[in-house]
This record gives sequence, C-alpha cells and structure tokens, in this order.
Amino acid sequence: DTAVSQTPKYLVTQMGNDKSIKCEQNLGHDTMYWYKQDSKKFLKIMFSYNNKELIINETVPNRFSPKSPDKAHLNLHINSLELGDSAVYFCASSRTGGSSYNSPLHFGNGTRLTVT
Amino acid sequence: GENVEQHPSTLSVQEGDSAVIKCTYSDSASNYFPWYKQELGKRPQLIIDIRSNVGEKKDQRIAVTLNKTAKHFSLHITETQPEDSAVYFCAAILSGAGSYQLTFGKGTKLSVIP
Repeated sequence: DTAVSQTPKYLVTQMGNDKSIKCEQNLGHDTMYWYKQDSKKFLKIMFSYNNKELIINETVPNRFSPKSPDKAHLNLHINSLELGDSAVYFCASSRTGGSSYNSPLHFGNGTRLTVT
Repeated sequence: GENVEQHPSTLSVQEGDSAVIKCTYSDSASNYFPWYKQELGKRPQLIIDIRSNVGEKKDQRIAVTLNKTAKHFSLHITETQPEDSAVYFCAAILSGAGSYQLTFGKGTKLSVIP
C-alpha cells in the first residue's frame, strides 16, 4: 500500500540508450514531481506537473521528458543517456502546488540509475 | 537566483546532546518550510514543517524555529539518539519564472556517536 511507488528500483544501462522510469501515487494528490539526487546528495527538482501545467527546471536537458497519462501517474523518459545522468531519481507528489502551498511532499523510494 | 542555504554540511554529536541545523532563504514571499530526514539508501521523509504564521513548532524531541524578518529557520533535535543519524534537508517555497517550487538545501549529514 505504498503511497508513491516507482519502478524500477535499480536501472543499469549503457550510454546512448533510452529508458523510462514509472511513478504512481495513490494519495489522490494533484501535483507530481521528479527530483534528481546526485552523488553529493543534492536534491534538485526537475519537473512539477499537475493537470494544468508542466513546469520544467531550466537546467534539465531536453533529453528528459515527463509523461502523464493521468493525474495518478508521472513517468520519466530519458533519451540518449549520458554518464552524467547517473543518479537517484525520486518521484514525489503533493496535494497542492503553487503559492498556496500547504501539503508536504511524499517521495517514492527512488530509482538508482547507473549509466555505463 | 532564489536559493536555500543550509549549514553545517556535516555534524557530529555525542548521544544525548542536542543538534542544531540552520537554513536561510532568499524569497521573502516563502510561506512554507519543511524538514526532511533521509536515512542511508532510503527516501526523504517529512519530519516536521512550519508555516510563516508561526515562529516555533515542537514535536517531541524535534523543534523548528522561524525568523521571517531575518529569513532563516532552524531544526533542533534534543537528546539525540543513534537512530537520528541521517541526512537532514531543509526546504522552502521559492518563486521563479512565475512558478513556485519547493527548493531544498544541500543537506546536513548528522552522525550521533553512541
């Protein structure tokens, strides 16, 4: 009954490949996110998405693209993987986004991506 | 740009002592300040949060204080235990390019020595 679940937990792939990470939340939240955590443990937001708006962190390469089939899912597609993409990717969700932020983030368990 | 600064990056304390982690933020419009704990190999989990209409909040051994004028907030852990060892992240809502994002500090690795 995990609230935010993402798959796979581990992903090892070669440079140049295309891969996807899936995320689902059963909390009824209306906003979902992808965060990247690098080897130094920095947590950086990549995307936030609700049914109205996709907000992209300007530092994210356009090889990364979120896809949301419905409000409970936000998948992450990565094209032409590079060595520097190796990191842990966390999906998260919250009830309300925007300036009236009043709901904490709930994180998934993370996907450790290793690009060789 | 808008950011959240967190100090110290590492902190070692003896079991039973107190630990204090401090953060500053740049956006005076920020109104929500959560703290997350991340144990090794696990996901960040919310431990306490505070909104801008209060100056302090306590939950057992954990407390958070907020000074809106100075734009800083702190996490206080009293009577530390080995299981408090983890990386702690502060966060704040920051505005930029017309949107509001929860932005994290760079984390503090807390080690509680038995």
